[in-house]
Amino acid sequence: DVKVTQSSRYLVKRTGEKVFLECVQDMDHENMFWYRQDPGLGLRLIYFSYDVKMKEKGDIPEGYSVSREKKERFSLILESASTNQTSMYLCASSLTSGRVVYEQYFGPGTRLTVT
Amino acid sequence: AQKITQTQPGMFVQEKEAVTLDCTYDTSDPSYGLFWYKQPSSGEMIFLIYQGSYDQQNATEGRYSLNFQKARKSANLVISASQLGDSAMYFCAMREGRDYKLSFGAGTTVTVRA
Repeated sequence: DVKVTQSSRYLVKRTGEKVFLECVQDMDHENMFWYRQDPGLGLRLIYFSYDVKMKEKGDIPEGYSVSREKKERFSLILESASTNQTSMYLCASSLTSGRVVYEQYFGPGTRLTVT
Repeated sequence: AQKITQTQPGMFVQEKEAVTLDCTYDTSDPSYGLFWYKQPSSGEMIFLIYQGSYDQQNATEGRYSLNFQKARKSANLVISASQLGDSAMYFCAMREGRDYKLSFGAGTTVTVRA
């Protein structure tokens, strides 16, 4: 079974702090994703990566950055946390084989509160 | 414009009955894939079922089936014989072409009553 783990289930940070959210997958997937989930808005893509050291902006990248130094690990960084970044953050990974991109597997989520 | 629209914010269903969750999509790419995910209160997203735009038959996975109507651009999820454990939020999502990304709808909360 694919396992995607996230470093924390719950996190409380202060405004202005630098925040790191870590995600690790154990199935050698090429693609990794960071989403945030807010009520009534579904999941919105922040950043994704299709290879080590490669990253692309999603729909809402402002205020975030990412790092992918190893294939299995994808980090989301909030450079200076703000209260409007209080949300549920979900990490996902997927496999690409030939021309086929397969379904995404998700981690348990990190509920971040910025006070 | 919204790529995925789920018009039902919440639904109640009686145990053992079937329930249909609506999903409409918008794309001009002839090649796309449609996904349904379940999110229980624990928070983890669970992949349920996939339908490719070129698939001739509707996808089925156990009690889940996807009612794919290409001309109407709809991909409704049908859960047969509902169980209490089906209570969750359900998301419809789409991938276009060979894009890695998924676009998600706002979700539908299903509550199964005993």
